[in-house]
Amino acid sequence: GALVYQYPRRTICKSGTSMRMECQAVGFQATSVAWYRQSPQKTFELIALSTVNSAIKYEQNFTQEKFPISHPNLSFSSMTVLNAYLEDRGLYLCGAIQGYEQYFGPGTRLTVL
Amino acid sequence: AQKVTQTQTSISVMEKTTVTMDCVYETQDSSYFLFWYKQTASGEIVFLIRQDSYKKENATVGHYSLNFQKPKSSIGLIITATQIEDSAVYFCAMRGFASALTFGSGTKVIVLP
Repeated sequence: GALVYQYPRRTICKSGTSMRMECQAVGFQATSVAWYRQSPQKTFELIALSTVNSAIKYEQNFTQEKFPISHPNLSFSSMTVLNAYLEDRGLYLCGAIQGYEQYFGPGTRLTVL
Repeated sequence: AQKVTQTQTSISVMEKTTVTMDCVYETQDSSYFLFWYKQTASGEIVFLIRQDSYKKENATVGHYSLNFQKPKSSIGLIITATQIEDSAVYFCAMRGFASALTFGSGTKVIVLP
């Protein structure tokens, strides 16, 4: 079956520091990976859509300078939250896309102190 | 741009009854996909059911079914014979082929014993 792993599941960082999160697709090839953020008491916002061998498309309010993404192959993607502040806290979800299907990982919960 | 709207923030129902959740969407795409997910207390996102825009028949999976009214851009979720473990936040979402999801704001369902 198709599985998506995310690492770490939880992380705490000091304000102004950076943290990297990873997304691994197992059992299928993810042609695209979507990164989402769910801030406390809110819905899921799309950060960016990354397609292998194509430019990464960031949504409004999210930039490559703040959330650089690496997507080297069809099974792995990583995203870094640079210079994290309180408003960056939340649950970061990776959605690995294969055609019609999008499989979600369990998320990385970021706490910023 | 796509937009998904869930106006019900919270619904309480008695166990073993039926709950209906509303969702309306906006899109310029002629072909699209509509989804319902639930988010458990642990934060995990669970896929429930999908409706393809070109299909007239309402999708049904287990005790989940959809009320798809394309002229009204509406995709309601119906849960029959609710159980305590159906208590969760339910998100309506949509996307085009191989693209990222646009989520609604979520509806919290509380199933009472």
